[in-house]
Amino acid sequence: DTAVSQTPKYLVTQMGNDKSIKCEQNLGHDTMYWYKQDSKKFLKIMFSYNNKELIINETVPNRFSPKSPDKAHLNLHINSLELGDSAVYFCASSRRDAYTSNYGYTFGSGTRLTVV
Amino acid sequence: RKEVEQDPGPFNVPEGATVAFNCTYSNSASQSFFWYRQDCRKEPKLLMSVYSSGNEDGRFTAQLNRASQYISLLIRDSKLSDSATYLCVVNAGFQKLVFGTGTRLLVSP
Repeated sequence: DTAVSQTPKYLVTQMGNDKSIKCEQNLGHDTMYWYKQDSKKFLKIMFSYNNKELIINETVPNRFSPKSPDKAHLNLHINSLELGDSAVYFCASSRRDAYTSNYGYTFGSGTRLTVV
Repeated sequence: RKEVEQDPGPFNVPEGATVAFNCTYSNSASQSFFWYRQDCRKEPKLLMSVYSSGNEDGRFTAQLNRASQYISLLIRDSKLSDSATYLCVVNAGFQKLVFGTGTRLLVSP
């Protein structure tokens, strides 16, 4: 049983296209996240949702729009893709009190996005 | 100053060696600290949490120095399978974890 699953695993697309990445967790966690890992391997938070409510929105271009239909799902839609969007996008989930607890996050296996 | 700073390495050590990684963080209000491990082209996985009093999990020992805002990870008796990137992680506010850029470890036979 995959705890945090994201699809697709690989995505190659042309500049200007719109694409979506889906994420689902079966851990019963309240909070879900999107992180971006760039070519220098730096992992940076993009968004965080708690029980379908947006709680963290870092300085991400508004071409990126997260959507959480329920607390087990957090999808990421990207409009007008640019070359600089090429990266690995990780979905993660955690218990609500992860920031004060010692549980940390559980990550999905990542979506490798290549914009050509 | 970066929120979480680590030496990127790589640290090249022979099997059986002891190796230590350090990490500093800038937010003195941080309450949770972790070490994650990331293998090449894989997702980060929680290695261990870091407790104020220091904690050990088998060959791995983590320590926290709040006064110096410093975290360490010690790996004893290194195995080939320990080769990976080790990410220092600190909470930076409500439900937000900040990751360091990672320290790469290469264990050779």
